Amino acid sequence: DGGITQSPKYLFRKEGQNVTLSCEQNLNHDAMYWYRQDPGQGLRLIYYSQIVNDFQKGDIAEGYSVSREKKESFPLTVTSAQKNPTAFYLCASSIVPGPGRKLFFGSGTQLSVL
Amino acid sequence: LAKTTQPISMDSYEGQEVNITCSHNNIATNDYITWYQQFPSQGPRFIIQGYKTKVTNEVASLFIPADRKSSTLSLPRVSLSDTAVYYCLVGDMDSNYQLIWGAGTKLIIKP
Repeated sequence: DGGITQSPKYLFRKEGQNVTLSCEQNLNHDAMYWYRQDPGQGLRLIYYSQIVNDFQKGDIAEGYSVSREKKESFPLTVTSAQKNPTAFYLCASSIVPGPGRKLFFGSGTQLSVL
Repeated sequence: LAKTTQPISMDSYEGQEVNITCSHNNIATNDYITWYQQFPSQGPRFIIQGYKTKVTNEVASLFIPADRKSSTLSLPRVSLSDTAVYYCLVGDMDSNYQLIWGAGTKLIIKP
């Protein structure tokens, strides 16, 4: 089945620790995105990538880093500089270019601080 | 960038038709209207998308008036499993990264 796989489902971070969230897609989509969702709120864009080896900051990129070495993979690292990392993290992908494209989402990773 | 306004929450009953209206006064010529559904602890799922008039698929209908300043998502004969948060998004889909996600409408279906 085609889709987006995020792992792990739950992740715990200690103070001062960097953690990496995995996102893999087999939809052959060029664009990939990382969002953060806090309870009762909408999604906020962290980073996005429209092509391999290129990515752009979203609205809340501080304290996060990404890489896009392969079309299928777009891992997100939550660094120790992110002081409030507890949130639900969502990865998405879409085709490029063309009007009216939809986003396909993974099932998310819940990150909590110990 | 077009912002949207939609009700924070709605209640309905099984078997009823539910209409959720979204206001987007600043919609641009190239903007599409897209609705997503999200269940707790899951990623949003695409429901329907339209540009003007009416669009219908196997799960919903989308009504868009001529001025495109609002849109209505219609869910026919809802069931308990339709309880979810519904997001209305407006934007040029050539740039998904510019979409603004509001808090959505929390729809609760009662037996």
